[in-house]
Amino acid sequence: DTEVTQTPKHLVMGMTNKKSLKCEQHMGHRAMYWYKQKAKKPPELMFVYSYEKLSINESVPSRFSPECPNSSLLNLHLHALQPEDSALYLCASSQDVDTNTGELFFGEGSRLTVL
Amino acid sequence: GEDVEQSLFLSVREGDSSVINCTYTDSSSTYLYWYKQEPGAGLQLLTYIFSNMDMKQDQRLTVLLNKKDKHLSLRIADTQTGDSAIYFCAEKHSSASKIIFGSGTRLSIRP
Repeated sequence: DTEVTQTPKHLVMGMTNKKSLKCEQHMGHRAMYWYKQKAKKPPELMFVYSYEKLSINESVPSRFSPECPNSSLLNLHLHALQPEDSALYLCASSQDVDTNTGELFFGEGSRLTVL
Repeated sequence: GEDVEQSLFLSVREGDSSVINCTYTDSSSTYLYWYKQEPGAGLQLLTYIFSNMDMKQDQRLTVLLNKKDKHLSLRIADTQTGDSAIYFCAEKHSSASKIIFGSGTRLSIRP
C-alpha cells in the first residue's frame, strides 16, 4: 500500500463552523506533512510531524490546528476560517524527515471552500 | 536564501521532446526533485537527483543538473497527451526537514 488517503475530498464550510480534515497512511512512514495549495501556485508547507511530534510550524494562524493521534493518522482541525483560506490542502508522508531521498508521498488533497 | 524558479508555461507537439527548466539559489541543496501534478490530484514524484550527480536517466525522463549555474532541467522524450500536467521542481537541504517547491510549469501538448 503506497497510498496516502485524505478525507473529505471536498468541504464547504462557513466562517463560524468547526471541521476537520483527515489523512491516513499505512506505509510505516514516521513523517507527515500538511501543505496548502492555492490555484496556480506551488504547495506551501504548513506543518511537519516527526514521530508524532510537531517539528515544524510555518507560522500558520491558530485557526488551523494539527493533530497526530498516531503514526498513521494526521488531522487538521479548522475553526473560524476566512474565505482566503479556501484552497487545496495536501497531506504528504515520508519515511522520516531526514530520509536521504526526501521522497514525499502525497494524497489527492481536500478542496476546501470557506463561505 | 530559498528560491526556486520555473517558467509558467510550455507547449509542445505530441511526439516531440519537452524540456522544463528550473533555477535555484541555495547551493547547499542536496537533493533536487521533479514532481508531476495532474488536474485535481496530489503531487507525484517523477524523479530526483543527488547534488553530486550531473545527469540521471529513467526511461523517457532525463534530468540534467548544472550545479555551477544552479540550473536543473527535465527532458521528456516522445511527449504524449498523458504528460499534460504541472511539473514542479523542488529542492531539499541536508540541514532542513522541508522541501521547497518551484512555481510549477504547466505543460500542454498539441496534436
